[in-house]
Amino acid sequence: DSGVTQTPKHLITATGQRVTLRCSPRSGDLSVYWYQQSLDQGLQFLIQYYNGEERAKGNILERFSAQQFPDLHSELNLSSLELGDSALYFCASSVVADRRGTQYFGPGTRLLVL
Amino acid sequence: QKEVEQDPGPLSVPEGAIVSLNCTYSNSAFQYFMWYRQYSRKGPELLMYTYSSGNKEDGRFTAQVDKSSKYISLFIRDSQPSDSATYLCAMSAYGYGGSQGNLIFGKGTKLSVKP
Repeated sequence: DSGVTQTPKHLITATGQRVTLRCSPRSGDLSVYWYQQSLDQGLQFLIQYYNGEERAKGNILERFSAQQFPDLHSELNLSSLELGDSALYFCASSVVADRRGTQYFGPGTRLLVL
Repeated sequence: QKEVEQDPGPLSVPEGAIVSLNCTYSNSAFQYFMWYRQYSRKGPELLMYTYSSGNKEDGRFTAQVDKSSKYISLFIRDSQPSDSATYLCAMSAYGYGGSQGNLIFGKGTKLSVKP
């Protein structure tokens, strides 16, 4: 158990809908990262927050947004969902802002868009 | 050409075999190299972390980085059925801000160790 929690574990929704994925980092970790994992693209970095502020962006679509709250938990919002958004979404956390540091991954949220 | 290439396998070996997993990359700015293990329906977990070129050993696992060839390897000695998982290589350049420090993952190699 990495200490990173993610809810929900599974999510089934329809195209055009909006969903929110939630992540609680390990105790003491200030950085939260979001990743998308699909069969064809592999694990792709989406966005990083450090102590409430956006630190880095990866291949995140404009339909997706995230935020980190004062208690350091983070939410990833996915809107206008498309079939191709079906994937595993992982949250990871680390102590530092530096992405070279060890990142601890949560168990993921499996999203299915029908 | 993708930044990081990794043979997806699957790779099937008998228990006790030496396993060799590899990744190639194209970005010469990468300096930090990692191997993650991902069991089915679980998140990736960090196995090995290497800076720049050279070897690093941890128990049955050895990571090698050859920056001149842009090639990294993970060796697993005396492989066990519990090593059956997908192994992901990951790498990043130096950088606190912007996109340089982002972790770039290979697609993973699925390994099966048969008893």
